[in-house]
Amino acid sequence: KQEVTQIPAALSVPEGENLVLNCSFTDSAIYNLQWFRQDPGKGLTSLLLIQSSQREQTSGRLNASLDKSSGRSTLYIAASQPGDSATYLCAATASKLTFGTGTRLQVTL
Amino acid sequence: ETGVTQSPTHLIKTRGQQVTLRCSSQSGHNTVSWYQQALGQGPQFIFQYYREEENGRGNFPPRFSGLQFPNYSSELNVNALELDDSALYLCASNGESYNEQFFGPGTRLTVL
Repeated sequence: KQEVTQIPAALSVPEGENLVLNCSFTDSAIYNLQWFRQDPGKGLTSLLLIQSSQREQTSGRLNASLDKSSGRSTLYIAASQPGDSATYLCAATASKLTFGTGTRLQVTL
Repeated sequence: ETGVTQSPTHLIKTRGQQVTLRCSSQSGHNTVSWYQQALGQGPQFIFQYYREEENGRGNFPPRFSGLQFPNYSSELNVNALELDDSALYLCASNGESYNEQFFGPGTRLTVL
């Protein structure tokens, strides 16, 4: 059974800092790994998808890496802004998505 | 915008009632999945439908059931509502392969 863990559960940083969110999964037999953003009370916004054959994906200030052999993925956010404040979820995809519990990020002025 | 819509946005029911939630997938997406997200938790997989047949189920009781229609719409039905069914319900659609899933905005269900 796939289990996905995200560390830290919550993070507060001042504006402008670079930060890393961590995601680990127990079963490396995945098709891809997705990172999502969720604003309070809202649905999920897909940020990045890394196929199992890829090592990383980049979109703007976001960079996600995937190491299947060690069961880890990281989401790097460069030059954080207050608008980045949200919960970030990773999900490992086999026949279904298995989500972590998320990292709640607050970027302060 | 993901092209996936859900209705209603919010819903309040009482314990023991039945509820139907609706989802409209992207055109051409034959797979739809439903997830339950309790407050402060990650979404939990309920079930998945592919071409109108159930194609996988998570650890949810039979009172959670679904339907998928040829016009890319689907339903999640929950019978005999319990207080713990209060959650955000999300649907997601994807194409033929296990590629990116596109999520709707969710339906917030409150059971009193």
